[in-house]
Amino acid sequence: GAGVSQSPSNKVTEKGKDVELRCDPISGHTALYWYRQSLGQGLEFLIYFQGNSAPDKSGLPSDRFSAERTGGSVSTLTIQRTQQEDSAVYLCASSVSGISTDTQYFGPGTRLTVL
Amino acid sequence: QKEVEQDPGPLSVPEGAIVSLNCTYSNSAFQYFMWYRQYSRKGPELLMYTYSSGNKEDGRFTAQVDKSSKYISLFIRDSQPSDSATYLCATGKAAGNKLTFGGGTRVLVKP
Repeated sequence: GAGVSQSPSNKVTEKGKDVELRCDPISGHTALYWYRQSLGQGLEFLIYFQGNSAPDKSGLPSDRFSAERTGGSVSTLTIQRTQQEDSAVYLCASSVSGISTDTQYFGPGTRLTVL
Repeated sequence: QKEVEQDPGPLSVPEGAIVSLNCTYSNSAFQYFMWYRQYSRKGPELLMYTYSSGNKEDGRFTAQVDKSSKYISLFIRDSQPSDSATYLCATGKAAGNKLTFGGGTRVLVKP
């Protein structure tokens, strides 16, 4: 079946512009995660959605970052007033139910470059 | 200091050799441990998952966890050029779903 998909695959923007990144999780998966991977760095947790519960936003680096998940499926990560340090690969993952032992399946990521 | 430390490599080995990868972690609350493989321009994919100290084997892959020393390892036997990738260790707490990743080790298996 289809895996996690993300769009766009690449995004180049100018400093100060807003960007929206989209994630389509695996159908039926109730948990959705966003991570950020900077050059040569490991993945950094950003935000986690589980069903109708309030999202865990503890990893968002600043109030310029926000995310929403509509209808328990598609999620959008928004970065306002982008800065050069926001350049990274943004990865989305989903899992069946979000319990600790669930496998997280990752999408291919969106490569964001802020000029 | 990062909660999970991993040598970035690159680690270059000849085909057929054993690849040895490891991570150290600092938080005793971490209860489960994973290894992900990430090919260039792709998302990570889960290779191995362990919940306790000891060894776990899956084909050519063996994951090892030593909670007393906060040390986790991955061994790849009979390495193949297709094993060339970045390997990321990840840890998680019993309560909660966030994964904490190491920085990844780039592995190159030369034919």
